[in-house]
Amino acid sequence: GEDVEQSLFLSVREGDSSVINCTYTDSSSTYLYWYKQEPGAGLQLLTYIFSNMDMKQDQRLTVLLNKKDKHLSLRIADTQTGDSAIYFCAENENTGFQKLVFGTGTRLLVSP
Amino acid sequence: EPEVTQTPSHQVTQMGQEVILRCVPISNHLYFYWYRQILGQKVEFLVSFYNNEISEKSEIFDDQFSVERPDGSNFTLKIRSTKLEDSAMYFCASMAGHLNTEAFFGQGTRLTVV
Repeated sequence: GEDVEQSLFLSVREGDSSVINCTYTDSSSTYLYWYKQEPGAGLQLLTYIFSNMDMKQDQRLTVLLNKKDKHLSLRIADTQTGDSAIYFCAENENTGFQKLVFGTGTRLLVSP
Repeated sequence: EPEVTQTPSHQVTQMGQEVILRCVPISNHLYFYWYRQILGQKVEFLVSFYNNEISEKSEIFDDQFSVERPDGSNFTLKIRSTKLEDSAMYFCASMAGHLNTEAFFGQGTRLTVV
């Protein structure tokens, strides 16, 4: 079945850029997503990219998609302590009902 | 801004008891989902619901689970006889249409089975 993998942990200093990586297996996915989960909270959609795009920029967030390698990344510029959270990559399983398959999540820790 | 709301935020139940987790999706949305996240693990799909019936379910969603949209606004997940391994965070989500891009998630219900 579909699988989405991420590295488990990333630590950066405030002001640096963070890059969170994700690999996926379903080449028919239409959209790929990045969700943010703060401690004890729900899933907040940060951004998404359509599968025919290579890059999408949204303020401090840049998403890069390498469809050939099935690799997705999220770059956060000027990372702040408030960006500390778990970041989930997700792909939609293109069955018509838009089921999401989530990655393992990357815990981002931003230190002052 | 419209949002998906879930109640309760935390539920503690004894093993073998029935629980009902409640969700109020965004009002004009047509597709509804339940996901769960066991502590420290991936968010896993449980079930999708459209046009008053289940459209897809995962192998986790066995006979102990059921979903219902009883009154056109609430969307409930029932676990008939809870097991310890049902302890997890349960997320409800809704989407306006299958061509839309964004699934809106609720804040989750943390279910603890003791």
